[in-house]
Amino acid sequence: GNSVTQMEGPVTLSEEAFLTINCTYTATGYPSLFWYVQYPGEGLQLLLKATKADDKGSNKGFEATYRKETTSFHLEKGSVQVSDSAVYFCALDGGSQGNLIFGKGTKLSVKP
Amino acid sequence: GAVVSQHPSRVICKSGTSVKIECRSLDFQATTMFWYRQFPKQSLMLMATSNEGSKATYEQGVEKDKFLINHASLTLSTLTVTSAHPEDSSFYICSAAAGQRQETQYFGPGTRLLVL
Repeated sequence: GNSVTQMEGPVTLSEEAFLTINCTYTATGYPSLFWYVQYPGEGLQLLLKATKADDKGSNKGFEATYRKETTSFHLEKGSVQVSDSAVYFCALDGGSQGNLIFGKGTKLSVKP
Repeated sequence: GAVVSQHPSRVICKSGTSVKIECRSLDFQATTMFWYRQFPKQSLMLMATSNEGSKATYEQGVEKDKFLINHASLTLSTLTVTSAHPEDSSFYICSAAAGQRQETQYFGPGTRLLVL
C-alpha cells in the first residue's frame, strides 16, 4: 500500500540556516503530495502541495519538488526563522476516500 | 482559513470508563470528517471516515464497537472511546473537509487521552 517515510527528528538549526527535510513515498500511480505544518498548540495546516511529477509547491519560503524518478518530495527553505519552529508532516493522498497518509513528522527547532 | 476545534484538548480517565471527544467545524459545513490517531514518534494513522448522516467507515484493525463515531450534523462529529484501557492512550486528531479535495481538509488541534 501507499506509505510515506520522512527523516527522523528533531532537527535543530540556527536562524538563517538552510533547511532540508527528506520525504520519500511508495505509491501506486501518481498521488498528490503535501507538506503540512503543526505549530505548537495548533492543528495541522497545509503548507504546500504538488499534484504531478516535476511540480514545485511553494509557500512562505518553503519549497518541495515532486520527483517521480526518486519518489521524493523533500522540503527546503533557504533561511529559516525562529517562527518556523514546528512539526512538519509529509503526506500523500490516500485515494478515493479523500484521506491522507502521513509520515511520522519531523520536529524543527530554530534557535536565535 | 477554516477553523476546526476539538474538545477536550486533554483528558485523563480511569480504565473502564468511556470518553467522548468532539470535533467541530466552526465556520464551514463539513461533509466528511476524518479521525486519526497518533502514537509518540509515529505517523497519524487514519481510524475512520465519517460522512454526515451515515455510518462511519472504519479502517482495518479499528474496532468500531470500541471507537464509536457519530456525525450527527455538518459541523459536529464525535468519537467515543468506550471502556478505555491504558493502550488506548494516544493523541486523537480530527479533520474536516468541505469537499473531496484533500487540500480542503482542515485539522483540529488534537486531543491527548491518558487512560490510567
